[in-house]
Amino acid sequence: AQRVTQPEKLLSVFKGAPVELKCNYSYSGSPELFWYVQYSRQRLQLLLRHISRESIKGFTADLNKGETSFHLKKPFAQEEDSAMYYCALGGGSNYKLTFGKGTLLTVNP
Amino acid sequence: DVKVTQSSRYLVKRTGEKVFLECVQDMDHENMFWYRQDPGLGLRLIYFSYDVKMKEKGDIPEGYSVSREKKERFSLILESASTNQTSMYLCANSRGVAGGYTFGSGTRLTVV
Repeated sequence: AQRVTQPEKLLSVFKGAPVELKCNYSYSGSPELFWYVQYSRQRLQLLLRHISRESIKGFTADLNKGETSFHLKKPFAQEEDSAMYYCALGGGSNYKLTFGKGTLLTVNP
Repeated sequence: DVKVTQSSRYLVKRTGEKVFLECVQDMDHENMFWYRQDPGLGLRLIYFSYDVKMKEKGDIPEGYSVSREKKERFSLILESASTNQTSMYLCANSRGVAGGYTFGSGTRLTVV
């Protein structure tokens, strides 16, 4: 069974501070991992995926298979980063993603 | 850009009504999905389809059905709406898992 855990429902930081949104997963096969973001009144959109090893809007995430984690990090948070963030796990042949419950990030001025 | 369009942004329906939520994509992607999004519960998969006339149950299919007669359209049906189906419903598509999903803007359904 696939499972995604985001331990923090809410995360509040000040502008310019580092931010880390935690994600742990449980999956017996080879995982595909993603971070999605939903800004206020906007649709859910893909932020980044582990396979691309890219940095988007200053965010990075490294897949750690030993710790089964895919934490999202940014060294200097901006107010416009305030949003709901979801970690998602895929794998196998059925094409579906399993989402975590989300973390609401608030970046204070 | 792939576009996923959900026909209604807000809907208010009465308990017991049959409700249709429509989703249309403008690209030739095989896979389409219906999720519901609730505070504190995240996104939960209701149904998905990987081809025309094909459907599979997700994690919470009870009280729902789906229809996919054409590749571009994936409909979610609430056979007899109940108040516990009040939620935000999200449609998504993908070519394959590695590419991730593209989401529609959502339909906020209120059942009274």
